[in-house]
Amino acid sequence: GAGVSQSPSNKVTEKGKDVELRCDPISGHTALYWYRQSLGQGLEFLIYFQGNSAPDKSGLPSDRFSAERTGGSVSTLTIQRTQQEDSAVYLCASSSRVGALQHFGDGTRLSIL
Amino acid sequence: GNSVTQMEGPVTLSEEAFLTINCTYTATGYPSLFWYVQYPGEGLQLLLKATKADDKGSNKGFEATYRKETTSFHLEKGSVQVSDSAVYFCALSPLNSGGSNYKLTFGKGTLLTVNP
Repeated sequence: GAGVSQSPSNKVTEKGKDVELRCDPISGHTALYWYRQSLGQGLEFLIYFQGNSAPDKSGLPSDRFSAERTGGSVSTLTIQRTQQEDSAVYLCASSSRVGALQHFGDGTRLSIL
Repeated sequence: GNSVTQMEGPVTLSEEAFLTINCTYTATGYPSLFWYVQYPGEGLQLLLKATKADDKGSNKGFEATYRKETTSFHLEKGSVQVSDSAVYFCALSPLNSGGSNYKLTFGKGTLLTVNP
């Protein structure tokens, strides 16, 4: 597609469940980034990928959070045993190379009941 | 560490009013500076950027000048429109040891509402 695509756009789940969030970057973009937008915390960097490797995962808030990228394209952010404080909008961005302009998707709004 | 502080608002203006949204930053070296905009229900879009001191970024009537002496990057527009209603985020991206800037640090965002 023309832009970064994220799915689902909205996700509501019960506390304790696992969730998977998906990001399809712009075709040909080698770098991919995950951010979290939550009330009170603003936008926070979580992790970025160069190809399939993640040189910087320093923003992942706990070991319940993990992410992978396969084939240098699609990325999945997984949150295990979700907690209410995980409720946020999760944004994905991609760029043609590390350091180039980041293009953002519309985000996944995650609500934990 | 790096940080961005911007006026949190909300800011409510009448159409054709002058807009200023203040942004200051803390960073080592010479980061790149950005303003992103998020329209209702949409993702972040880059509005403008500046990569070195005294650079002025501009787009859609918005301007911001990279002021290293005051560590500021204030957003201005001379005459706002209803369609400018959105959340505006100031951000910085420092150069890492490898010479590339990738990690965006954002301010908390400023909600702007423009009334007709």
